[in-house]
Amino acid sequence: QVQLVQSGAVVKKPGASVKLSCKASGYTFTTYFIHWVRHAPGQGLECLGVIDPTGGSTTYAQRFQGRVTMTRDTSTNTVYMELSSLRPDDTAVYYCARGNNGDSFDYWGQGTLVTVSS
Amino acid sequence: DIVMTQSPDSLAVSLGERATINCKSSQSVLYNSNNKNYFAWYQQKPGQPPKLLINWASTRESGVPDRFSGSGSGTDFTLTISSLQAEDVAVYYCQQHYTSPPTFGQGTKLEIK
Repeated sequence: QVQLVQSGAVVKKPGASVKLSCKASGYTFTTYFIHWVRHAPGQGLECLGVIDPTGGSTTYAQRFQGRVTMTRDTSTNTVYMELSSLRPDDTAVYYCARGNNGDSFDYWGQGTLVTVSS
Repeated sequence: DIVMTQSPDSLAVSLGERATINCKSSQSVLYNSNNKNYFAWYQQKPGQPPKLLINWASTRESGVPDRFSGSGSGTDFTLTISSLQAEDVAVYYCQQHYTSPPTFGQGTKLEIK
């Protein structure tokens, strides 16, 4: 069965960086894009960007350009998302989700809570 | 980015009654060449990731009860739960996947009256 398993919760100080992982299984890794979506307290769902595991090409949402980097490791079927210059308002649950360009997100990871606090 | 606006923000409905949630997009998400609306509905329960309920505006995902239905086209869409069950208490989100980045509505919290 398709699974996306994410790394555990982290606490970071303002200004630091965080790198989250999302390990895919149950399907051919290179046939679906992986998106990163966050859900901040009291806010809606927000997409940070997407990576194509085939060649590693990425598209980032404009408001995260310069702060987010997505990479993948095809030997372990894992996608990574690094967010830098963290601020308290980056506190959120971060999800990875499977979905090709122009498609909805059919499978989601369990989520990773990132807390940014001094 | 396309802005998705849901109404209402919250809704309380009696068990067995109909629940209706609306979503409006700031521009059309209908792709004329294939006549498909690049639009989806998700359900999120506390402590869980969102679950895809309906894609292409009206296609139920496998395993989704038939009391859930989606309708609409272009810029105006509706999610209807025909007979509310206790397990339907959740926050519901609409999403457009017509342009990048995909964007979501602010969510509608559905409760039991």
